[in-house]
Amino acid sequence: KAGVTQTPRYLIKTRGQQVTLSCSPISGHRSVSWYQQTPGQGLQFLFEYFSETQRNKGNFPGRFSGRQFSNSRSEMNVSTLELGDSALYLCASSLDRVGELFFGEGSRLTVL
Amino acid sequence: AQRVTQPEKLLSVFKGAPVELKCNYSYSGSPELFWYVQYSRQRLQLLLRHISRESIKGFTADLNKGETSFHLKKPFAQEEDSAMYYCALSGGSGANSKLTFGKGITLSVRP
Repeated sequence: KAGVTQTPRYLIKTRGQQVTLSCSPISGHRSVSWYQQTPGQGLQFLFEYFSETQRNKGNFPGRFSGRQFSNSRSEMNVSTLELGDSALYLCASSLDRVGELFFGEGSRLTVL
Repeated sequence: AQRVTQPEKLLSVFKGAPVELKCNYSYSGSPELFWYVQYSRQRLQLLLRHISRESIKGFTADLNKGETSFHLKKPFAQEEDSAMYYCALSGGSGANSKLTFGKGITLSVRP
């Protein structure tokens, strides 16, 4: 069974730009969560989607948004990028209940 | 609010030595606790969860609600245990089911 796939793996943007990251969950998984990982703050929860509905949201500004499609694939968008948005963005999928997460390799975003 | 504290950033032991990775949590309800592990150049993956009460790769963790702790233990460390370990808490199903991670600890097992 294929694992969680995230694209792109690496990207460089400049301040003020926006970025869209994509996540394809494991087949059959309906829940997709997004996390931001930085050296200073560690892993921080962004949001979780289940059956195209945002079920939970972390404490991030409105510049961070996401969505889930009918095939469970998910995208997250960050608008008006700031230097502090440089991080590894991890996507994780699960069958249903949060906790048994299967992580992707992440998308490493660098904001210059 | 949910909070997970891993008080140490690094633990270095010799092969065969016992290991204890500390994790304390703060949560008003009944939490679910997990340990995730990330080996070098691999994805973050679930190691164990407290409700399964099983030993994985020789590791065990007991939920102590009185001390609000979920320490990870292994009696004899192996070199292949070297990795980054994260303790995580889930507040249950529904709207509060997001996973809160500690900042992680690097375990280094020397030969």
